[in-house]
Amino acid sequence: AQKITQTQPGMFVQEKEAVTLDCTYDTSDPSYGLFWYKQPSSGEMIFLIYQGSYDQQNATEGRYSLNFQKARKSANLVISASQLGDSAMYFCAMRATNTGNQFYFGTGTSLTVIP
Amino acid sequence: GAGVSQTPSNKVTEKGKYVELRCDPISGHTALYWYRQSLGQGPEFLIYFQGTGAADDSGLPNDRFFAVRPEGSVSTLKIQRTERGDSAVYLCASSLYGGASDTQYFGPGTRLTVL
Repeated sequence: AQKITQTQPGMFVQEKEAVTLDCTYDTSDPSYGLFWYKQPSSGEMIFLIYQGSYDQQNATEGRYSLNFQKARKSANLVISASQLGDSAMYFCAMRATNTGNQFYFGTGTSLTVIP
Repeated sequence: GAGVSQTPSNKVTEKGKYVELRCDPISGHTALYWYRQSLGQGPEFLIYFQGTGAADDSGLPNDRFFAVRPEGSVSTLKIQRTERGDSAVYLCASSLYGGASDTQYFGPGTRLTVL
């Protein structure tokens, strides 16, 4: 079974500092994708970044980067230069090729950026 | 272009009633997904459509839940004999073709409250 674990229910970061949100996953499928989504209080899930299991380099998208450690099965999200608008819930998700098209989501991390 | 839209944004109903939730995906996206998100949890997969057909409905909790996508675009999630435990936010997402690396784009959700 696929599983996503986010062990940090809540995180605080000072504005302009960097923060790392943890995500570990469990799958026996060699082909999978890892995704991070942001969910502000408005409720909409906003796609942030994607990492494929065969990608050689860590994914980056602007201030977001994904620290992908395949052997440890971790896919941590790094947000640099935090902004007040980054305050939201962050969800890690995984999708594996051989198990159909389900997205498996973690329980999320609530990030609060302090001015 | 327009994103995924969902109507209604809020639905309050009484236990035992029938409800329909609508999702309008991004134009040209062949894959459509329904999720349910309970308070404090990540989204939980319900059903996936590829075109008009339900390619994976393994997440539907019981036979009170049903979804259709008759023309391969708009989808309707139907819940019969609603129960209080059905109260949640129902999220719809669409993606271009449905592969493991394919990013899903989410709508704003429908908040269902069963009294």
